[in-house]
Amino acid sequence: DAGVTQSPTHLIKTRGQQVTLRCSPKSGHDTVSWYQQALGQGPQFIFQYYEEEERQRGNFPDRFSGHQFPNYSSELNVNALLLGDSALYLCASSLGSGSNQPQHFGDGTRLSIL
Amino acid sequence: DAKTTQPPSMDCAEGRAANLPCNHSTISGNEYVYWYRQIHSQGPQYIIHGLKNNETNEMASLIITEDRKSSTLILPHATLRDTAVYYCIVSRNNDMRFGAGTRLTVKP
Repeated sequence: DAGVTQSPTHLIKTRGQQVTLRCSPKSGHDTVSWYQQALGQGPQFIFQYYEEEERQRGNFPDRFSGHQFPNYSSELNVNALLLGDSALYLCASSLGSGSNQPQHFGDGTRLSIL
Repeated sequence: DAKTTQPPSMDCAEGRAANLPCNHSTISGNEYVYWYRQIHSQGPQYIIHGLKNNETNEMASLIITEDRKSSTLILPHATLRDTAVYYCIVSRNNDMRFGAGTRLTVKP
């Protein structure tokens, strides 16, 4: 039973570029959430997708957008990259948006902006 | 969502119980308490969650006070592999708002 998988594991971009990160949820899960974790800090909630729609959003600018596909997998897109976007990007999956079911996390994509 | 307060760091001797406290004095009636931990270079790992009753699973026990304003995560027999950052989160709708957590160091 595969857990949450994310790709790529590492990525290097330059300022102003755009990036797409991918996530496959744990089998049986239908909800995907994305988090940004800067070095030495806790993960910060970006947004959550359920039934192919964004259901909740944290305090992130519109440069951060996402998508969920019919098979529940998800993408995180970041446009006009800034140096401050360098972070570990984590994907988590769960069953049911707004439920009390715990989220299960992948090991993240390490994004470095030069 | 309610905020939580955790000590920044704690030490524990290997084989002893580790008791990690969390204050959540503004928790509302429909918010659950979740605990996760994160070992360096890995994603957060779910440990346990509860609403108002004490909970136990194969990893840990969660003790929630009667007024629900605080909780304690108990690792009954800490091992070196339990060294990690532990996060206490309160949430009613499954969006996890992480704080800085408690860095637990288990020492031989």
